[in-house]
Amino acid sequence: NAGVIQTPRHKVTGKGQEATLWCEPISGHSAVFWYRQTIVQGLEFLTYFRNQAPIDDSGMPKERFSAQMPNQSHSTLKIQSTQPQDSAVYLCASSLVGGPSQNTLYFGAGTRLSVL
Amino acid sequence: QQKVQQSPESLIVPEGAMTSLNCTFSDSASQYFAWYRQHSGKAPKALMSIFSNGEKEEGRFTIHLNKASLHFSLHIRDSQPSDSALYLCADSGTYQRFGTGTKLQVVP
Repeated sequence: NAGVIQTPRHKVTGKGQEATLWCEPISGHSAVFWYRQTIVQGLEFLTYFRNQAPIDDSGMPKERFSAQMPNQSHSTLKIQSTQPQDSAVYLCASSLVGGPSQNTLYFGAGTRLSVL
Repeated sequence: QQKVQQSPESLIVPEGAMTSLNCTFSDSASQYFAWYRQHSGKAPKALMSIFSNGEKEEGRFTIHLNKASLHFSLHIRDSQPSDSALYLCADSGTYQRFGTGTKLQVVP
């Protein structure tokens, strides 16, 4: 099992450009989460899918951020018109749904986004 | 907004010492509490978790949960240099909410 796979590992964009981040959850995990990590804010929740359906996107900046899960094997996070304050490590995590093990999050290595 | 607070922000301890990390949460309805460890440049990895009040021990690691005082702690016995990492606590509603972390450095 390769774990949660995130690509690319690093992405550099210019201000105003678009960035798309990819996540492949662990096979068999039905819940997928996106978080953003910075030194100042720590690990911030962005959005959550269960069985590919969006459940909670309360952490998403609404205007420029969007997330999709078109099939059970991948999810994308798209940031339009990137701004310097979007610079962060974006982490994807997956978990089982149901049972005592459902709450353990398995994180990918993250995508470090740098907006110049 | 429900928050998770961690203390201290950073900590340096000598090898072999007992390390205590603290976490307070604000949602008394939270059902699940966990500690994650993140080594530099790596992904956070689940360390231990607990659902109900009390204590749980695994090897050198012990966690305490007191829902009445909204307090959750991690204790590391005989701390090792390999324990040096960022420690994140989390409580869970619909999703897991994380504190900003305690950066632990264990020096030989």
